[in-house]
Amino acid sequence: GDSVTQMEGPVTLSEEAFLTINCTYTATGYPSLFWYVQYPGEGLQLLLKATKADDKGSNKGFEATYRKETTSFHLEKGSVQVSDSAVYFCALKGSSYKLIFGSGTRLLVRP
Amino acid sequence: KAGVTQTPRYLIKTRGQQVTLSCSPISGHRSVSWYQQTPGQGLQFLFEYFSETQRNKGNFPGRFSGRQFSNSRSEMNVSTLELGDSALYLCASSLGQQNTGELFFGEGSRLTVL
Repeated sequence: GDSVTQMEGPVTLSEEAFLTINCTYTATGYPSLFWYVQYPGEGLQLLLKATKADDKGSNKGFEATYRKETTSFHLEKGSVQVSDSAVYFCALKGSSYKLIFGSGTRLLVRP
Repeated sequence: KAGVTQTPRYLIKTRGQQVTLSCSPISGHRSVSWYQQTPGQGLQFLFEYFSETQRNKGNFPGRFSGRQFSNSRSEMNVSTLELGDSALYLCASSLGQQNTGELFFGEGSRLTVL
């Protein structure tokens, strides 16, 4: 069945460092891909999405490109801030009725 | 406009009891999904409702049930609580009949079973 694999955390960075969180997926067909973010004590928020191969989703300085050849959707940001500290979830919506989430990657940004 | 509202935010129950959690979706949203979030299992899909009908159900025992009302508000119920039911229960709403994967989540109801 469809699945999402994320790099394990926590990822600890200093402010203004470059961020990459790896995400790969397994799915039949052409799924839509998402990154959701969960700040402490809150629910999940949609950060960005891509619905077809080579699409780039972007929001708040974060970017991710839908790479069908490598079945990947890695999240990147050029310069992280302390306020970016959160848990990031990669997710896919394929032919199944449900949104399938990865295990989440905790990001800690130090001043 | 107001976001997804879940009540209660925190609750403590003992084994064997039952619990009802409530979710009010964003105004105009007709689809409501429920997820269980635990450190060990991550986010697991419970069920999805659209126009008062359960469209899909995840792999949870029958102790977990839910319903949706005509105003799109939803409740989920867990009977005969077990220690392993301790989790953050998240409700999410979406606008249309087709699940596109774009969900709007509430802050969750954190259930602790003692």
